[in-house]
Order: sequence, then C-alpha cells, then structure tokens
Amino acid sequence: GAGVSQSPSNKVTEKGKDVELRCDPISGHTALYWYRQSLGQGLEFLIYFQGNSAPDKSGLPSDRFSAERTGGSVSTLTIQRTQQEDSAVYLCASSPDRRRMYNEQFFGPGTRLTVL
Amino acid sequence: AQKITQTQPGMFVQEKEAVTLDCTYDTSDPSYGLFWYKQPSSGEMIFLIYQGSYDQQNATEGRYSLNFQKARKSANLVISASQLGDSAMYFCAMREAMDSNYQLIWGAGTKLIIKP
Repeated sequence: GAGVSQSPSNKVTEKGKDVELRCDPISGHTALYWYRQSLGQGLEFLIYFQGNSAPDKSGLPSDRFSAERTGGSVSTLTIQRTQQEDSAVYLCASSPDRRRMYNEQFFGPGTRLTVL
Repeated sequence: AQKITQTQPGMFVQEKEAVTLDCTYDTSDPSYGLFWYKQPSSGEMIFLIYQGSYDQQNATEGRYSLNFQKARKSANLVISASQLGDSAMYFCAMREAMDSNYQLIWGAGTKLIIKP
C-alpha cells in the first residue's frame, strides 16, 4: 500500500511569500504529525491532529504557521510571510491509533523549504 | 531537562563491527515506550525497533537489538555486523502513557558513518 506522501518535495521561495505544504497520510491512519528538521538537527514537533479532535498546536513557533486537516485525511501546513529561519525540511508522519503505546509513526519523504 | 539524550553526535565504525548507539531518557511515568529510527541521507525516517517499559526481554529485529537497562534509564541501540548501508542519522524517541496526545519525544540524533 501507499505510504505517507508529501508535496512538493522541494520548495524555494522568497522571503515574505506564503507557502503551503501538503501531506497525504496512510489511509485509515487517525493521527497526523508535522515536524520541522533544520540541517543536521533533530525533529521539532509542530502540530498534531487526532481524528476530528482539536489539534495540538503547542509546537507551532509563531502565528505565521498554521495547519489544517480536511476530512480527517489530507493536511496542509501553511507558513505566511516566510523568513529565512523557516528554511528546513518539513516532515509529516501518520499513525494508526494513538491509544496504542507501540504504534510507530510512519514518515513521509519531507518537503525541503528554502527561503531566499 | 532533556527527556531524551543522545550523547554521541557522531561515530565512525569499521564495516562488520558491532555498533552501540547510546540513548538515555528521563521520565516519571512507569508506562512508556522507546523507539529507534534511522534517517539515511535520502531524508526518510525509518522505524527500526520498539521497546515497551514493561517488556521483560530486550527487543530484537534482525541485526538490531535494544539494550534496555530500566534502572539506568538507558535504551542503547546495538547494530551487529555493521554494513555500509547503515550509515545514517539515528534517533531515539520516547512516548509516555501519561501524555494524552501520545507524542514522541525525540533525541538530537547520532550520525553514524560506516567505514569500508
């Protein structure tokens, strides 16, 4: 079956522009996560969706960042008025059931964002 | 305080030798799970192995095993008979049952390079 997909794979934008990053989770997975990974660094949690519940936005670094998940499936991460420090790889992951401790997260290939 | 600590930012190992990647964690939750992921240069995050806090035996998956020392709060990953394809970043992560969102808390990673 298909894994987690993300688009675009690469995005180059100018400072001040808005960008949208898309994530298609594995079908049937109820949990969806967005992470940011700066070059050579670990994963920074951004936002978490669980089914139709209100998302956990505690990791969003500023109000320029927002995310939606439509119909419990596809998610879009939007960064408004991009800054150079937003340059990073944005990773999306999905998981089948948050209530199970051993459930791994399945990751997409990431979107590499470069803000000039 | 750091919840997940990976003290080795980088390691060089000769091909075919065994490798131990360190991970220590900090939690007061008696129920938790520990994960190891591999991230090759291609960028995808690949799940390797899981250890539950109540598991009686150390987890094993092929050439990967987890040296789980609960009293020391360590969960080191052991790779036997290393291969060139093992060169990658390796991340340790933890999930705590008391976290209603069942988030994964990530370490900073260890960069492993296998020398021929």
